[in-house]
Amino acid sequence: GAGVSQSPSNKVTEKGKDVELRCDPISGHTALYWYRQSLGQGLEFLIYFQGNSAPDKSGLPSDRFSAERTGGSVSTLTIQRTQQEDSAVYLCASSPQGGYSTGELFFGEGSRLTVL
Amino acid sequence: QKEVEQNSGPLSVPEGAIASLNCTYSDRVSQSFFWYRQYSGKSPELIMSIYSNGDKEDGRFTAQLNKASQYVSLLIRDSQPSDSATYLCAVYGGATNKLIFGTGTLLAVQP
Repeated sequence: GAGVSQSPSNKVTEKGKDVELRCDPISGHTALYWYRQSLGQGLEFLIYFQGNSAPDKSGLPSDRFSAERTGGSVSTLTIQRTQQEDSAVYLCASSPQGGYSTGELFFGEGSRLTVL
Repeated sequence: QKEVEQNSGPLSVPEGAIASLNCTYSDRVSQSFFWYRQYSGKSPELIMSIYSNGDKEDGRFTAQLNKASQYVSLLIRDSQPSDSATYLCAVYGGATNKLIFGTGTLLAVQP
């Protein structure tokens, strides 16, 4: 597609359930990023992929969070045993460069997660 | 101290006025600086980048960088109601080697 595609756009789940969020980056973009944005907060970095490897996963808040990327394309962010504090908009972004140096990240529309 | 700080606003300006958005950062060795615009319910989009001290102009937008003061700003001339959005400052480089975003400033341009 023309832009970064994320699904689902909205997800409501019960505390303790697992969720998977999907990101399909712009074709040919080698770098992929996950951020989350809570109400009134900035974008919180979660993890960065270069190809299929994750050189920087320092932002994952706990071991309940994991992410993978396959084929240098689609990425999945998995949150196990969701907690209410996980409620946020999860944003995926991609860039054609191998790092942040250009600062030009192309964001998807986000997946809004609500944990009841 | 937050790595990238912005006043959350809202900053309210009348149509046609100059809107001035400010950002400070804590890591002195940061290299690159960016302004993203985020409309309500939408994803951020890059509008300006600046890498060296001074001013950089692009249409109605001017980014200003002062590395000695660890300060970056965005001026929007002839503000329009369509400029109403949250403006996110982002800083790259330094010890973290990642793009760090501020919490954003909400700009409201009154017709």
